[in-house]
Amino acid sequence: QVQLQESGPGLVEPSGTLSLTCAVSGDSISSDNWWSWVRQPPGKGLEWIGEMYHLGYSSYNPSLRSRVLISLDKSENQFSLKVFSVTAADTAVYYCASGRTTTAYNNWFDPWGQGTPVIVSS
Amino acid sequence: QSVLTQPPSVSGAPGQRITVPCTGSSSNIGAGYNVHWYQQLPGTAPKLLIYVNNNRPSGVPDRFSGSKSGTSASLAITGLQAEDEADYYCQSYDSSLRAYVFGTGTKVTVL
Repeated sequence: QVQLQESGPGLVEPSGTLSLTCAVSGDSISSDNWWSWVRQPPGKGLEWIGEMYHLGYSSYNPSLRSRVLISLDKSENQFSLKVFSVTAADTAVYYCASGRTTTAYNNWFDPWGQGTPVIVSS
Repeated sequence: QSVLTQPPSVSGAPGQRITVPCTGSSSNIGAGYNVHWYQQLPGTAPKLLIYVNNNRPSGVPDRFSGSKSGTSASLAITGLQAEDEADYYCQSYDSSLRAYVFGTGTKVTVL
């Protein structure tokens, strides 16, 4: 079955760049899925960050669009997230997920990676 | 803040039926966008429970069901079990925000 696994530094300094990678197994990054990132601040709910399709289409949460970049690496079958100019408010567990859909703007997320905690602190 | 509102907590006795409401608006659920539900057990990643309003993925017990009407949706759990204690989130798309949105989350407690 499809499995996703996040990796990356667990500690990032304020004003720095948060960089995470999600390795995909059991499916091709070029399949009909929207590769997505979701985050969850400590003790809070889920926030969608953005998504990318293998043909180059991408979509971001407007609240984060100016600071976020998602990219795909077809040779490694993985996708990545960068969040620029981070602050303490970016401290969260970051999840990668496979976005599935039957029609536009109706994506659901399945499966999810196990999540990786990121703390923004000096 | 989220545009999909859920009660912070819902509780029930073992074997009971409970519902978790998800209230949206004319720019998300009311606009016809599908609603999906996730279960998050303590310390774990969310898991898809219901997709496209009322469909269960393989492996999800038929004790879980979803419905949608107007600007709201609801998750029902029948025959409540101790293992159902978790946080539950609804999710849809909002055309005003131009973003996928999650509900505020509901903690289900089995008494």
